[in-house]
Amino acid sequence: QSVLTQPSSVSAAPGQEVTISCSGSNSNIGGHYVSWYQRLPGTAPRLLISENDKRPSGIPDRFSGSKSGASATLTITGLRTGDEADYYCGTWDRSLNSWVFGGGTSLAVL
Amino acid sequence: QLQLHEAGPGLAKTSETLSLTCNVFGISITSNNYYWSWIRQPPGKGLEWIGTIDYEGRTYYNPSLRGRPTLSFDTSKNQISLELASVTAAGTGLYFCARMFYDGISGVGWFDPWGQGTLVTVSS
Repeated sequence: QSVLTQPSSVSAAPGQEVTISCSGSNSNIGGHYVSWYQRLPGTAPRLLISENDKRPSGIPDRFSGSKSGASATLTITGLRTGDEADYYCGTWDRSLNSWVFGGGTSLAVL
Repeated sequence: QLQLHEAGPGLAKTSETLSLTCNVFGISITSNNYYWSWIRQPPGKGLEWIGTIDYEGRTYYNPSLRGRPTLSFDTSKNQISLELASVTAAGTGLYFCARMFYDGISGVGWFDPWGQGTLVTVSS
């Protein structure tokens, strides 16, 4: 059971927008920065979003992140079939004294 | 370009010590302010942070793993190592190494880049 809760799967049509939620508590998301990672099939995870809403160099602006209270959201606009991947959120948990992640969300672009 | 390549035995026996290595290419592992982490993913499950070693060799571990992991580095090989003692079937999964950015003042942290991972199966 992951500390951060994500939907197991989401789907949308090409060109549409999808949001992926990440729910935690005051000891993790509520008090710390959130990062998001994309793992395309058979590849290494890639950092998509750092510090709640910052995109590293090379990440398209179709990907955006936000945080409110103890929840965070990854939004992907203009969906492409190449966006089909697993997405994970992560942050620090001060109660567990550990970095923690969500269980991952599998995105299908139908 | 920074790249990380993990290596391991593929198969480990229950109760033994699992040893994995991560070769780092493109930067010295002792460069200032760099942290190096191990993260694993059991089949069908989410990511679990195992531990982190910083550029001065200070280590930080997931308390839930109860003292079983040990991280170290070999500067002559520019390599990070993980030893996980007393492995069980729950240790089966894909093991990743990743560089971690961490700012101790702001608490900002993230993992980038990651290696492709090395698959470990633990069986008796």
